[in-house]
Amino acid sequence: GAVVSQHPSWVICKSGTSVKIECRSLDFQATTMFWYRQFPKQSLMLMATSNEGSKATYEQGVEKDKFLINHASLTLSTLTVTSAHPEDSSFYICSASVRATEAFFGQGTRLTVV
Amino acid sequence: GQNIDQPTEMTATEGAIVQINCTYQTSGFNGLFWYQQHAGEAPTFLSYNVLDGLEEKGRFSSFLSRSKGYSYLLLKELQMKDSASYLCAVRDSNYQLIWGAGTKLIIKP
Repeated sequence: GAVVSQHPSWVICKSGTSVKIECRSLDFQATTMFWYRQFPKQSLMLMATSNEGSKATYEQGVEKDKFLINHASLTLSTLTVTSAHPEDSSFYICSASVRATEAFFGQGTRLTVV
Repeated sequence: GQNIDQPTEMTATEGAIVQINCTYQTSGFNGLFWYQQHAGEAPTFLSYNVLDGLEEKGRFSSFLSRSKGYSYLLLKELQMKDSASYLCAVRDSNYQLIWGAGTKLIIKP
């Protein structure tokens, strides 16, 4: 199957700092990638849809100035959590589709803001 | 609104069979997915159904009835490593994935 690589797997940062998470499609080109966050024992929540070469589409309630998404190439999308606060601590996951029948996920990034 | 329902938790015995149900109400339908998610890890793809009927893939099978808005994931010959959460997701008319809350499956020896 297609491989989506997400980095880092976990990160601890101080409150007020920014954190960048990378999502790469290793063996295919992904014109669209999706960013999710997941709180413990809850389902995935779509944050935004990242389109190569254009602005991301954010879901209602997601602050676009706080969660900056850049999809600079067909194989890389980044999510930057700016001015992180403890409530931003969560599991962030990216995914990309090779075709309509499947969606592949990165390994996820566990962010802890202290 | 859009809604996907699946049981919160199920328990089964090693070697047995378990069926995890999923019912959905979405604006349009462009396929239903099942994913497995172990604690602390990202989901992994299990199956995709877009037409009615049963799709079999080794120990796992997935069934879909579009007229009933219903799917199930059937796991046979359960192994301890099958202990995980199982997520049902439906792609709606806008090709957005709508996720269920997941079913935590506990396998006992």
